[in-house]
Amino acid sequence: KQEVTQIPAALSVPEGENLVLNCSFTDSAIYNLQWFRQDPGKGLTSLLLIQSSQREQTSGRLNASLDKSSGRSTLYIAASQPGDSATYLCAVPRSNDYKLSFGAGTTVTVRA
Amino acid sequence: DAGITQSPRHKVTETGTPVTLRCHQTENHRYMYWYRQDPGHGLRLIHYSYGVKDTDKGEVSDGYSVSRSKTEDFLLTLESATSSQTSVYFCAISEYGVREKLFFGSGTQLSVL
Repeated sequence: KQEVTQIPAALSVPEGENLVLNCSFTDSAIYNLQWFRQDPGKGLTSLLLIQSSQREQTSGRLNASLDKSSGRSTLYIAASQPGDSATYLCAVPRSNDYKLSFGAGTTVTVRA
Repeated sequence: DAGITQSPRHKVTETGTPVTLRCHQTENHRYMYWYRQDPGHGLRLIHYSYGVKDTDKGEVSDGYSVSRSKTEDFLLTLESATSSQTSVYFCAISEYGVREKLFFGSGTQLSVL
């Protein structure tokens, strides 16, 4: 069974600081890993998808790394802004049936 | 933004009544999913579809049924709603299942009293 853990559960930083969000998973035989953003009362928005053959993926100020062997992924957000305040979730497909297992998320607050 | 519309956005119903939630997409994606999101449990898959009339159960399917008679519509039915089914329900779509990004709808807040 794939279990996905995100630590910390919440994070508060001043504007301009770089954010580091962690995601760990128990079954390293993953197909890929996705990072999502969720704003309060809204649905999830996919930010980055890293294939199992990739080490990292970048989009603007966002960079996600993947270390399959250690079961970890990290999402870096450079020069954080108040608009980055949201909950960030990671998700991986389960190896037996390819359904997604989600972490509980890290809620980020960027203080102006 | 992916063209996904969930209806209704909010619903309050009574225990024992049937409830149907609708997900409509304009992207012609093959895969459609229903998730529920609850504090302390995160997102959990209820049912999913990999084509018209092709559906399968997720991890929390008891008490729910689904139907997909057209590519664009995926219906979730609570045959006899219970208070434990109070939740936020999200529909998601993708073209190639979990091999690519999932796109989510805005959700339906369901309260069962």
